[in-house]
Amino acid sequence: GAVVSQHPSRVICKSGTSVKIECRSLDFQATTMFWYRQFPKKSLMLMATSNEGSKATYEQGVEKDKFLINHASLTLSTLTVTSAHPEDSSFYICSARPGQGGNEQFFGPGTRLTVL
Amino acid sequence: QKEVEQDPGPLSVPEGAIVSLNCTYSNSAFQYFMWYRQYSRKGPELLMYTYSSGNKEDGRFTAQVDKSSKYISLFIRDSQPSDSATYLCASNAGGTSYGKLTFGQGTILTVHP
Repeated sequence: GAVVSQHPSRVICKSGTSVKIECRSLDFQATTMFWYRQFPKKSLMLMATSNEGSKATYEQGVEKDKFLINHASLTLSTLTVTSAHPEDSSFYICSARPGQGGNEQFFGPGTRLTVL
Repeated sequence: QKEVEQDPGPLSVPEGAIVSLNCTYSNSAFQYFMWYRQYSRKGPELLMYTYSSGNKEDGRFTAQVDKSSKYISLFIRDSQPSDSATYLCASNAGGTSYGKLTFGQGTILTVHP
């Protein structure tokens, strides 16, 4: 149980385009989902916290107009990187927290974004 | 000072060794403690989840939390080459923190045959 999927697993796009990444909890309902960014050989950097049906809470320094997060249902959150630039190239990982009061998070497999 | 400190290693051990991974934290409000394993180019996988102080064992893995010294540990017995990965400790305060985790830097472990 506690499986989280991400799609796509890898995406290459041109500078200036927008990219959408989906995060789904497959066998549980997630009231809260998190989006992280990870640079090579570095730990995870939290970008934002999203609660179903409400606006995402962004961490300091993360541009909310550039990284659009939507948590439309208890099993789906999306991250859209708008007007992507090469510096946005990174490994993006989502996680989901079950709604039954537990504090553990279950992570997706990650999405490798490369902006040319 | 980071809220969760973890020696990044790298740590290299022979197959069959007992591995000890450690983290310290500074936030007294932390109550929940987790260990994740992350293989290269993959998402982290939850290994152990503990609440407050004490020990928890699952197969070859044992997690220990000592809240008095703000020290958390993960022991791996009979280590295998497949255990080679980055291990991340994480903590959160529960309650109104909405599950927001604070991660250590991660320790890179290599178990060689």
